[in-house]
Amino acid sequence: EDKVVQSPLSLVVHEGDTVTLNCSYEVTNFRSLLWYKQEKKAPTFLFMLTSSGIEKKSGRLSSILDKKELFSILNITATQTGDSAVYLCAVVRGTSYGKLTFGQGTILTVHP
Amino acid sequence: EPEVTQTPSHQVTQMGQEVILRCVPISNHLYFYWYRQILGQKVEFLVSFYNNEISEKSEIFDDQFSVERPDGSNFTLKIRSTKLEDSAMYFCASSDPSGGRDTQYFGPGTRLTVL
Repeated sequence: EDKVVQSPLSLVVHEGDTVTLNCSYEVTNFRSLLWYKQEKKAPTFLFMLTSSGIEKKSGRLSSILDKKELFSILNITATQTGDSAVYLCAVVRGTSYGKLTFGQGTILTVHP
Repeated sequence: EPEVTQTPSHQVTQMGQEVILRCVPISNHLYFYWYRQILGQKVEFLVSFYNNEISEKSEIFDDQFSVERPDGSNFTLKIRSTKLEDSAMYFCASSDPSGGRDTQYFGPGTRLTVL
């Protein structure tokens, strides 16, 4: 069974801090890893990673994948209160028709 | 920007009743999904759907569940005889080949409460 473990489970920081969220996985025939941000309801897509060592970047957010060590990190620099959310990591196996297997999420709280 | 929409936002039903949750995926997307999230738990995959057929389903998606694309825009999830444990947030998602099948865009969800 595919497994995704995120750490830490929760994190409290102040505006301007930099945070690193971790996602480790075990999946048969890995195809992709995705990061989502979940505020009040729907998960919002952030990144999809398929290759090791290639950083994906969007504004203050960036992510990288290590397929040898089976993990990914999501970095947020200069955090803002609007970054407060649950960050979800999900993996897809190669034989799948798009089934995302999610981790339990990291709750990020950014105080002013 | 195109988005996935879902109706209703909240559905309350009695145990044993049938419910239909509705979704309008992004218009040029070809792959459709349902997920659920029980309060305080992980988001769980239910089913994927392509070309008017179920592509993959989870163990949760038993005979009580069915999906349908009744026309060119809607995608529905039916639960035939609801149980208390079906209470959850149900998310619809869609993706398209050009963006990558795995890059799924989620709707705002329907909160189902079974009494």
